[in-house]
Amino acid sequence: EIVMTQSPATLSVSPGERATLSCRASQSVYSDLAWYQQKFGQAPRLLIYGASTRATGVPARFSGSGSGTEFTLTISSLQSEDFAVYYCQQYNNWPPWTFGQGTKVEIK
Amino acid sequence: EEQLVESGGSLVQPGGSLRVSCAASGFSFRTYWMSWVRQAPGKGLEWVATIKQDGSEEYYVDSVKGRFTISRDNARSSLFLHMNSLRAEDTAIYYCSRNPELWLRANYYYYMDVWGKGTTVIVSS
Repeated sequence: EIVMTQSPATLSVSPGERATLSCRASQSVYSDLAWYQQKFGQAPRLLIYGASTRATGVPARFSGSGSGTEFTLTISSLQSEDFAVYYCQQYNNWPPWTFGQGTKVEIK
Repeated sequence: EEQLVESGGSLVQPGGSLRVSCAASGFSFRTYWMSWVRQAPGKGLEWVATIKQDGSEEYYVDSVKGRFTISRDNARSSLFLHMNSLRAEDTAIYYCSRNPELWLRANYYYYMDVWGKGTTVIVSS
């Protein structure tokens, strides 16, 4: 089973600032990596798949990068609606499909 | 609009059974793999089960193997999760998700692009 590890657990950022979230896989997942956003009390929402492809309707301020075992989600200029928990997920070596434990982006 | 709507969650006693459902609309349900993902209170996301378009393949997380069964009714655009021998640790919000297919490097891969709002299952006496 591939273990996904996200860091940091919590990221405190001021509106308008840049946020950088990290995700590491225990073995290579190529670019088979997705990012999801979950706001409090809501379902997850797909942001990125293929490590860097934005899903339909996702603003350009969200970008993904990386391959192999190291991945990054960058939010270029945080908006109020971006404060949420973000999860990475690998879909390379399945089953199981595995998620990271999440990074909470909170207002500084 | 592509939509998934879960239902059937409730309070159930340990050792009990429950079936949760997911109604799909706005897309061709029969052409997609589908999954259940759960989230325990205050915790992260955990994949539970996945089923192929025609139901011929099913996959489960180890902790539910032998207790949960995923199924689908393509004529009714519905996905189900039958849960038996429920435990306190099965308490969670259960989300259904659609799994688009990617053909890469001579293999198929599936991520999760559309999610329902979830249904809550509480296992407690």
